[in-house]
Amino acid sequence: EAGVTQSPTHLIKTRGQQATLRCSPISGHTSVYWYQQALGLGLQFLLWYDEGEERNRGNFPPRFSGRQFPNYSSELNVNALELEDSALYLCASSRAGQGATGELFFGEGSRLTVL
Amino acid sequence: GEDVEQSLFLSVREGDSSVINCTYTDSSSTYLYWYKQEPGAGLQLLTYIFSNMDMKQDQRLTVLLNKKDKHLSLRIADTQTGDSAIYFCAETPSPYNTDKLIFGTGTRLQVFP
Repeated sequence: EAGVTQSPTHLIKTRGQQATLRCSPISGHTSVYWYQQALGLGLQFLLWYDEGEERNRGNFPPRFSGRQFPNYSSELNVNALELEDSALYLCASSRAGQGATGELFFGEGSRLTVL
Repeated sequence: GEDVEQSLFLSVREGDSSVINCTYTDSSSTYLYWYKQEPGAGLQLLTYIFSNMDMKQDQRLTVLLNKKDKHLSLRIADTQTGDSAIYFCAETPSPYNTDKLIFGTGTRLQVFP
């Protein structure tokens, strides 16, 4: 069974540009979560999508947005890039009605560098 | 707001035990997790504990929970070089609210021969 896949692995952009990151969840998983992992800051929750709808978002400005497609894959868009957006962006998926463990399954991440 | 704190680094000798500590502030935390992130990889769930438990053991891993002090620890017995990774603790009031998971900053464990 394929795990959570993310693309691209690395992305280099300049300030003011836009970045698009993509995520494919594990087959059968309907929820997709996006996290930002900046150096020394742990994981910060960005967005949660389930069944094509945005269910919750973290404390990030509106230039961070995304969507979930009918096949449950998702993309994260970051507009008007700033230097501090440089980070590893992790996608995770989980099953609907995931039971009592609450386990998230993570991809390997997309490293975004803003110059 | 809620906060989860961990020390940033831990260095141990191969074969020794490692103890990674975590403190949290949310008194409604009910589910607590330990995730492992190996170099160049995503996070992988190692183990979890519910707040009605004080201890959970799984092979070389022992999780201790002190609810009064809001302190969680992960002990790795007979630490191996393959255990070198970043370890994150995380907490949530409910496993059905995974979007409300709060992660710590991670502890980088380095195992030397």
